[in-house]
Amino acid sequence: ETGVTQTPRHLVMGMTNKKSLKCEQHLGHNAMYWYKQSAKKPLELMFVYSLEERVENNSVPSRFSPECPNSSHLFLHLHTLQPEDSALYLCASSPSGGSSYEQYFGPGTRLTVT
Amino acid sequence: ILNVEQSPQSLHVQEGDSTNFTCSFPSSNFYALHWYRWETAKSPEALFVMTLNGDEKKKGRISATLNTKEGYSYLYIKGSQPEDSATYLCAFKTGTASKLTFGTGTRLQVTL
Repeated sequence: ETGVTQTPRHLVMGMTNKKSLKCEQHLGHNAMYWYKQSAKKPLELMFVYSLEERVENNSVPSRFSPECPNSSHLFLHLHTLQPEDSALYLCASSPSGGSSYEQYFGPGTRLTVT
Repeated sequence: ILNVEQSPQSLHVQEGDSTNFTCSFPSSNFYALHWYRWETAKSPEALFVMTLNGDEKKKGRISATLNTKEGYSYLYIKGSQPEDSATYLCAFKTGTASKLTFGTGTRLQVTL
């Protein structure tokens, strides 16, 4: 257990659906991250929130919409996705946004877009 | 574009063997290098964060070294055990970038 939980663990959605991924951390961290891992590609950062403010938006399409209502919760709202968005979505947290701190990852949500 | 290269892509060793793999990164403007272990169906787990040239870190049978001038880090596993089977990721950050750039990982399989 890393102290970071993600729900759901698996999600299948059609291209016209709207769904949300949820991440919760119980570590008292101030920074939270969304990563995407597609098959045979490196982990790719999507968004960073530090103290509930978005500090990084890594050229992610607008069909992905993050939300950080407080420092313990992070959401990724999904709508009108494409099949190529099928991937593993990982949430992570760290004490602050600086990269001197290790990141604590959740188990991920396996997303399939049909 | 920053490239982080990990080699080999995969490795198969016998229990008790010692092994090592490499993470290569651009040597200019170095800030931090992370190593993570990712077991199948689990969360990636941090092993080390290294920031200084010449750093050596150790956790049990696993250790890592860092050479920022030539742009590489080695991860060593002494006396591999089946529970060491995992993908080992490295991630790199420059002083000017705001994010970690991950490599594709080295997949290690340890058999009896």
